[in-house]
Amino acid sequence: SQQGEEDPQALSIQEGENATMNCSYKTSINNLQWYRQNSGRGLVHLILIRSNEREKHSGRLRVTLDTSKKSSSLLITASRAADTASYFCATDYRGSTLGRLYFGRGTQLTVWP
Amino acid sequence: SQTIHQWPATLVQPVGSPLSLECTVEGTSNPNLYWYRQAAGRGLQLLFYSVGIGQISSEVPQNLSASRPQDRQFILSSKKLLLSDSGFYLCAWSVQRTAATNEKLFFGSGTQLSVL
Repeated sequence: SQQGEEDPQALSIQEGENATMNCSYKTSINNLQWYRQNSGRGLVHLILIRSNEREKHSGRLRVTLDTSKKSSSLLITASRAADTASYFCATDYRGSTLGRLYFGRGTQLTVWP
Repeated sequence: SQTIHQWPATLVQPVGSPLSLECTVEGTSNPNLYWYRQAAGRGLQLLFYSVGIGQISSEVPQNLSASRPQDRQFILSSKKLLLSDSGFYLCAWSVQRTAATNEKLFFGSGTQLSVL
């Protein structure tokens, strides 16, 4: 399968702690995207990192990309209870057809107050 | 600003009944449109995508069909639902791509379909 794989599958932390989620993928990519999904809702795009980028920031989010290891990480700093959600990575493989983002199964993050 | 509407939010249908889920996008023209399905605890499976009116591409053989009667309207249908059609259905849109990359998707709020 071409889909990315998130690790860990579930993560439980206290408010104020940092949360780190990882994503591994299979072949060369154009970009890698991170999405968030609250229970029973649609996905919300968080950040897109291109293959020639190594790190991007957006507010409390920091995404890194290591193309040599075919992996990415999402760091949420100073987490809040409202960050509780599932987080998915989606890979746009080089040569992919339109709409062919490969989503992983996600990391379920629970942040306890 | 752009918005995407998807309805209904939940739907319970008997096996063998028809299905029609509707999705509309506002605030943009000529979007790419997508239907995804998400099984419990799984990633997203792309079902259909469309680059324009009447242009539908199917990703997997299945009991479902899609139509795009208007630029910003995308409909997912079935003539006879199967138990295996149960799942969380998500509509999404993206801008028309000008390069050979897939840019970010904007998702609707989803429809939880239970086929009993």
